[in-house]
Amino acid sequence: IAGITQAPTSQILAAGRRMTLRCTQDMRHNAMYWYRQDLGLGLRLIHYSNTAGTTGKGEVPDGYSVSRANTDDFPLTLASAVPSQTSVYFCASSEAGGRDEQFFGPGTRLTVL
Amino acid sequence: GQNIDQPTEMTATEGAIVQINCTYQTSGFNGLFWYQQHAGEAPTFLSYNVLDGLEEKGRFSSFLSRSKGYSYLLLKELQMKDSASYLCAVMDSNYQLIWGAGTKLIIKP
Repeated sequence: IAGITQAPTSQILAAGRRMTLRCTQDMRHNAMYWYRQDLGLGLRLIHYSNTAGTTGKGEVPDGYSVSRANTDDFPLTLASAVPSQTSVYFCASSEAGGRDEQFFGPGTRLTVL
Repeated sequence: GQNIDQPTEMTATEGAIVQINCTYQTSGFNGLFWYQQHAGEAPTFLSYNVLDGLEEKGRFSSFLSRSKGYSYLLLKELQMKDSASYLCAVMDSNYQLIWGAGTKLIIKP
């Protein structure tokens, strides 16, 4: 693989179910991010990680959790999905965080019914 | 609060020039980014400005005025493949990106 991969590509989920969105990068980037993108709104940061073993909250963290056990993987978990979490989710990474360019994965389209 | 404003939609003709404006109010400033996003795809990086002035990269140029909280992206010699959304994002004092809603650019033959 080259770059960032996300899985699944799309998912329909019943409200109340638990769901983990997967993100893997092979660029050895230190920083990783999870965004959601909704029609008419800008990308909104959910959680981020500046380096393996550390995570931080973004603008809209409620209802989501992340972990960063190693450099390559940054899964996003919805503990109990709600319809307002219907969105397109993008994972991104940058070499060292800060002002570095962010590279985006292809996205996961999630529908919560 | 933090705010990034850009036009929702613009239309231009193939071969012409278009300027997409972005104004911002953020807590701190660590640079301004422009990304391109084709429908159904991921955003891809176009440019980064941290100092005032114009940065040119092929057919695309980006301008920044920090005192005015203003940037624009200039696209020359428009091609049909330039039909996409253009996202303006400002890095705030916490080094987090604050994103505008994007400008959908429609290119007509």
